[in-house]
Amino acid sequence: SQTIHQWPATLVQPVGSPLSLECTVEGTSNPNLYWYRQAAGRGLQLLFYSVGIGQISSEVPQNLSASRPQDRQFILSSKKLLLSDSGFYLCAWSSISYNSPLHFGNGTRLTVT
Amino acid sequence: AQSVAQPEDQVNVAEGNPLTVKCTYSVSGNPYLFWYVQYPNRGLQFLLKYITGDNLVKGSYGFEAEFNKSQTSFHLKKPSALVSDSALYFCAVRDIPMDSSYKLIFGSGTRLLVRP
Repeated sequence: SQTIHQWPATLVQPVGSPLSLECTVEGTSNPNLYWYRQAAGRGLQLLFYSVGIGQISSEVPQNLSASRPQDRQFILSSKKLLLSDSGFYLCAWSSISYNSPLHFGNGTRLTVT
Repeated sequence: AQSVAQPEDQVNVAEGNPLTVKCTYSVSGNPYLFWYVQYPNRGLQFLLKYITGDNLVKGSYGFEAEFNKSQTSFHLKKPSALVSDSALYFCAVRDIPMDSSYKLIFGSGTRLLVRP
């Protein structure tokens, strides 16, 4: 069966520090990968998606970047965090099929202080 | 542009009563519709989806949803609510074939509170 791992679960970082959040998927190959951010326990905003290794699409301009160095690995990064980067970050994967739902990791709670 | 609206921030219902969480959508192509549930500090869990076929879709934990094309709605329902159903619920849409990224666009979420 397929599983998705996301870490760390919580993170407290000072303003101006770098960020690296990692997400890996097991049990499937060539998945579509997604990074969403959830602010204030409500709506989800799509940040990045990837349809293949090295292929990254950004949905909104921001202080963050994403990379996909391996087929089942998706990394969210920042060189210098802002207070506004605080939130709940969710990684998800789907099969390359319109029928496929997204499957989410357990998220990372990021607090920028 | 594709969008999803969940008009209620919160729905309150007594345990044992039926519940409905509302969702309307707007797409350019054919809608693929999904419902998710989120418990505190957790990721989203998939409940059910509508792709094509019967307008009444059954999913996990006794939930079902009714697709209504003329009203562009996809309301989530359950005949008898449980206290453990209290959570945040999200409706989402995938716009077919207008969007080849396979991404989902989510509504703003509805908090369901089931009182004993």
